Amino acid sequence: GQNIDQPTEMTATEGAIVQINCTYQTSGFNGLFWYQQHAGEAPTFLSYNVLDGLEEKGRFSSFLSRSKGYSYLLLKELQMKDSASYLCAVTASGGSYIPTFGRGTSLIVHP
Amino acid sequence: DTAVSQTPKYLVTQMGNDKSIKCEQNLGHDTMYWYKQDSKKFLKIMFSYNNKELIINETVPNRFSPKSPDKAHLNLHINSLELGDSAVYFCASSPSRASRRNEQFFGPGTRLTVL
Repeated sequence: GQNIDQPTEMTATEGAIVQINCTYQTSGFNGLFWYQQHAGEAPTFLSYNVLDGLEEKGRFSSFLSRSKGYSYLLLKELQMKDSASYLCAVTASGGSYIPTFGRGTSLIVHP
Repeated sequence: DTAVSQTPKYLVTQMGNDKSIKCEQNLGHDTMYWYKQDSKKFLKIMFSYNNKELIINETVPNRFSPKSPDKAHLNLHINSLELGDSAVYFCASSPSRASRRNEQFFGPGTRLTVL
């Protein structure tokens, strides 16, 4: 099975930087996704990491350490619209790469 | 618009009723899914279909029956609805489940409330 752990809630100030951590335990790890989900809306894809290291995409970056079973999502220059839930999801080898999602981290950005 | 669409967006019904949720994707994807998101926001896979064939069926009660008439459609029928079925149900699609980068494209969700 797979076990994914991420903080339930975080708060941050507009313009600041926030790091959302995700730890996972899985056999046959393949890759890790981050999705953003605004209240009442569908999750949308943010990033995908399969190799160790940092992937940067604008204000958002995602890091992966396969040996440590650890990832983080880094959000820079926070905006109010970044208030959302951030879901970490892991895929494993074995026939179908269907993601298993963590419970999500609710990020609240305040002025 | 190219997207994953599902209807209805809201569904309020009585315990014991039977209801269906429809899903369509025009992205040309091979694989479609149903997820359930409970009140604690936990998003859990229920079913996955690849080219109209069921490839995964998690531990879901057999009151839930998916039907895929073609690879662009995956409907979900629920019999004898129970209070615990209240949740948001998301349909999703991906280019191919065999792809290591199996990015999911989600529909807008159906909020089911069972009274």
